Amino acid sequence: GAVVSQHPSWVICKSGTSVKIECRSLDFQATTMFWYRQFPKQSLMLMATSNEGSKATYEQGVEKDKFLINHASLTLSTLTVTSAHPEDSSFYICSAKLTGGVGNTEAFFGQGTRLTVV
Amino acid sequence: DAKTTQPPSMDCAEGRAANLPCNHSTISGNEYVYWYRQIHSQGPQYIIHGLKNNETNEMASLIITEDRKSSTLILPHATLRDTAVYYCIVNSGGSNYKLTFGKGTLLTVNP
Repeated sequence: GAVVSQHPSWVICKSGTSVKIECRSLDFQATTMFWYRQFPKQSLMLMATSNEGSKATYEQGVEKDKFLINHASLTLSTLTVTSAHPEDSSFYICSAKLTGGVGNTEAFFGQGTRLTVV
Repeated sequence: DAKTTQPPSMDCAEGRAANLPCNHSTISGNEYVYWYRQIHSQGPQYIIHGLKNNETNEMASLIITEDRKSSTLILPHATLRDTAVYYCIVNSGGSNYKLTFGKGTLLTVNP
């Protein structure tokens, strides 16, 4: 399958600082990327849908000013957690959907980023 | 998107077929059934998807009932590395494309 790469794989930051996570589709173009968050022993929760060249669409309850999403190219989307606090510590996962194609296509996921705010 | 119902856990012996059920009784005509799995502390891995016909690839087979209200993912020869949480998701696609994860089924493959 297609490859989606996230960077960094893990990060530890101090409370109050901002952290940027990158999501790249390595061998395909992705008009649409998705950002998820997963807390321990829970399922993935969709945070936002990111479309190249336009503003992201956030799910209900997700603060857009805290979780800044930029999708500047067909292969890169970034998530910036601003003024991070310990409760933002989580596993952040991105996915990218193939652009075009016939019928309903699959989305591929990155390996995830473990964020720990201390 | 339609909701799905999966058993919380299942066990399977190594080398045997693993059959994972999923109910999606409120699925609508344009919604596809997707299966993903997640091994601990990794991102989900795509397995297979289908609309109404049965599908097979190198990883698994997807059997969808004629009324489309349920489906079964079949791993023909389970290995220890298939131990993971398996998610069944229905998705309408197009501009409404959204993969919403439920709690999934924890499949444990035993030696």
